[in-house]
Formats: sequence, structure tokens, C-alpha cells
Amino acid sequence: AQSVTQPDIHITVSEGASLELRCNYSYGATPYLFWYVQSPGQGLQLLLKYFSGDTLVQGIKGFEAEFKRSQSSFNLRKPSVHWSDAAEYFCAVGDDQAGTALIFGKGTTLSVSS
Amino acid sequence: DTGVSQNPRHKITKRGQNVTFRCDPISEHNRLYWYRQTLGQGPEFLTYFQNEAQLEKSRLLSDRFSAERPKGSFSTLEIQRTEQGDSAMYLCASSLTTGIVNTEAFFGQGTRLTVV
Repeated sequence: AQSVTQPDIHITVSEGASLELRCNYSYGATPYLFWYVQSPGQGLQLLLKYFSGDTLVQGIKGFEAEFKRSQSSFNLRKPSVHWSDAAEYFCAVGDDQAGTALIFGKGTTLSVSS
Repeated sequence: DTGVSQNPRHKITKRGQNVTFRCDPISEHNRLYWYRQTLGQGPEFLTYFQNEAQLEKSRLLSDRFSAERPKGSFSTLEIQRTEQGDSAMYLCASSLTTGIVNTEAFFGQGTRLTVV
């Protein structure tokens, strides 16, 4: 069955520290992978996406993610976290570039301590 | 363009009542998607339209749910005979998908439904 697993429900990181959010997927076909962020009262905002090519993709707000096919992973990273990064982060896999019928993970809540 | 707009933002209804939500996509976006998000979960796909055609429906979309996009612009999602289990955030998203131009899905802020 197609699925996305985000093993960490909640992570707390100190401001200025590095961040890595884990995402593992199970998908039969070539995966189109996405990371979204959701702040309270806001809609989901796309951070980055991976379809093919370079396995290290850059996104907005200083985020990057690395696709590792052998590990079925697509982990999100940021070298230095800002307090404004506190939010919920969702990894998702879809059938196409638009992300039709996305399958989302349960999300990881990021808290940033000062 | 202010993005995907959803109305109402909040809806409280009594069990057994019917409710209807509206989604206005980004203009010229040909695809429109509906998702449902319950507390502590990621969004779950419900259905999507390409222009006015409803192309895919999830098994989550029971017979009490119906979605329309009559003119290929705005869409409505109706839930009949609401149940407490329908309480959730209903998210709408849109994208431009032509094969030549393919944007990602842009999400609205959602409609939070509470069934009491």
C-alpha cells in the first residue's frame, strides 16, 4: 500500500541549530515527493518538491531535502532554524507534478526554543 | 489574485443537518482538489476536478458527500446528514496542469466543520 511515514510527531530545536525532519515513503511507481508547511490558521504552503534529477533539492525559506531511493526517504533539512519556522511539516507523495491525490504523512510539529 | 479562497472558514452544525462549503480556486487554474484533515493527521485526498469533470473520488467520499464544479471555476462540497465523525478541516487546493505548464497545488486556509 502507498504510504508516507513521518516518524517524529514533535521535535524541539534551539534557534540557530540545524534541523532534519524524517520522511519515508512506500510507493509503487516513480514518486513525486513534496514537503509542505502549515502554520496555525494558515493553509499548506509548498516548501519544495522532487520529481527527478539532482537528488538534493532546494526550496523556499532556506530548506532543502535529499531524495534517497535506496532508503525510500526524503528528509527535510535546514542548517539554521529561525523562531518563525515553528509550524507543522508534512511530507507527501503524489502521482504527478501537480501533486494530484497526494498521500500525506501525519506531520511533524516543530517547536523552536530560544 | 489572493490565492485559493474557502468559505465559510468555520461551520458549526447539528448532527443530521446538511452543510455546503465553497471553494474559489486561483483564477485560470484548471484543477481543483478537496482534502479532509482531522486532528493530528495529515490531509486525506477526497476528490479532484479537471475543469468541470470530476476525475477521481476517494473511498473516503461516502454517499453523503457530493462535490460539484459546474462551470469549471468555483466548487462546492456538500455533506448530507452530518455525523460527528465528519468534524474536520476541509481543504481545497488548485493547480494549473496542462502538460506544458504544471504548477503545484496551492491550498486554501480551509473550512473547519464541527458537528455537535
